[in-house]
Amino acid sequence: DAKTTQPNSMESNEEEPVHLPCNHSTISGTDYIHWYRQLPSQGPEYVIHGLTSNVNNRMASLAIAEDRKSSTLILHRATLRDAAVYYCILRGYNNNDMRFGAGTRLTVKP
Amino acid sequence: DGGITQSPKYLFRKEGQNVTLSCEQNLNHDAMYWYRQDPGQGLRLIYYSQIVNDFQKGDIAEGYSVSREKKESFPLTVTSAQKNPTAFYLCASSIAWGQGRNTEAFFGQGTRLTVV
Repeated sequence: DAKTTQPNSMESNEEEPVHLPCNHSTISGTDYIHWYRQLPSQGPEYVIHGLTSNVNNRMASLAIAEDRKSSTLILHRATLRDAAVYYCILRGYNNNDMRFGAGTRLTVKP
Repeated sequence: DGGITQSPKYLFRKEGQNVTLSCEQNLNHDAMYWYRQDPGQGLRLIYYSQIVNDFQKGDIAEGYSVSREKKESFPLTVTSAQKNPTAFYLCASSIAWGQGRNTEAFFGQGTRLTVV
């Protein structure tokens, strides 16, 4: 199964950009890269996903490497409400089982 | 409103008793999932189902059972065989692969099970 690797934790200052990395060196051609985040005591929520091209939405941007072996979730201006665990997962023909790793715990300092 | 609902939010049971956690969705999703989360840890897949009357074991299925008799419902039973059942349980649903463009999964708010 294709897996992802993320740093355990990261810190950011409020109102500064945050770049959350994810490595997925065994990604297959049909795998989409999905990002979710989980606030304390809540279920995860969808953030963004992409296949090959960079993607933007109201929450974040997703930058995908040209070889697709890594990606970066970009929060343009971190707020205290962005403090959460961020998960990068692969979903596709061989990954419909939707497995999560440990994610990256983002701390935002005022 | 469309969404995915887990109930109850908190559940207490005595050791040795089976307990069933409810998960209902009205999003017309074929795929549904159950996860377990322990404090400070990520989500671990227990079972998933891609269509009615079919389900597959995840990474930690031992001591758990599921059924998928209706598209909307995917209940999880924590049996007495589960040695350490106290945890936060999360249910999710999504469009299954092959049914259209790749879209996001939706999660319930979770059930916190405490076995005493």
